[in-house]
Amino acid sequence: AQSVSQHNHHVILSEAASLELGCNYSYGGTVNLFWYVQYPGQHLQLLLKYFSGDPLVKGIKGFEAEFIKSKFSFNLRKPSVQWSDTAEYFCAVNPRDGYSTLTFGKGTMLLVSP
Amino acid sequence: DSGVTQTPKHLITATGQRVTLRCSPRSGDLSVYWYQQSLDQGLQFLIQYYNGEERAKGNILERFSAQQFPDLHSELNLSSLELGDSALYFCASSVVSGVGNEQFFGPGTRLTVL
Repeated sequence: AQSVSQHNHHVILSEAASLELGCNYSYGGTVNLFWYVQYPGQHLQLLLKYFSGDPLVKGIKGFEAEFIKSKFSFNLRKPSVQWSDTAEYFCAVNPRDGYSTLTFGKGTMLLVSP
Repeated sequence: DSGVTQTPKHLITATGQRVTLRCSPRSGDLSVYWYQQSLDQGLQFLIQYYNGEERAKGNILERFSAQQFPDLHSELNLSSLELGDSALYFCASSVVSGVGNEQFFGPGTRLTVL
C-alpha cells in the first residue's frame, strides 16, 4: 500500500519569506501527485497536480511543485509567502494502477506572520 | 465554493448513537468519496461510490456504511458511535472514477461524540 510523508507538521514564516514543504511517498509503481490546501474553516482545495510530463508543475496562487522520481518526492514551493497563505497543506498520491482514491500525508500547518 | 454540499455542518451526539451524514456531489459528477479527518489519523479515505455502486473501500469500520442514491447524493451512516469517531467527515466528488480525476471536496461535517 502507498504512504505519504510530510516532513514538517508546523512551519512559521514571515511574509516575503520563501517556502518549501517536503513530501515523500512510498509506492512501487507510478503515481499521480497532488497538493491540497485547507484555509481556516474552509474545505480542501486543489493547489496543483502532477500526472506526467514536465516534472515542474505550476499551480494557483503562485505555488509550484517539483516531482523528483528518483527521490520519490513532490515538494511544494513558493518564492514569497503572504499572510493569506496561512493554511494547512496536504500532499496526496493516487496510484495509477489502482482506484482513484487519494492517500494523504498528515499535513503541514503553515503560519505566516505579517 | 466547490459545488459539493454536505449536511449537517455540525453534529453532536452521544456514544452508542447512530447518525447519518449527507453529501450532494457537484452537478454531473458520478463518483463520491468519503474521507475522515482526525487529529491522530489525519485524512483517511473511507469509501467510494460510482454511479450508485461501491467502487473502493478504505479504512472504514464495520460500524460505518454508505450508499449512493439514484439522484447521486450519498449518505454515510455511522452507528454504535464511540468517542474516537469524533472527527471531520469530508465528502468529495469527481466526474468519473478513473485514476487521476480531480476530486472536489465539500465543507465537511464535524461530528462530536460525547
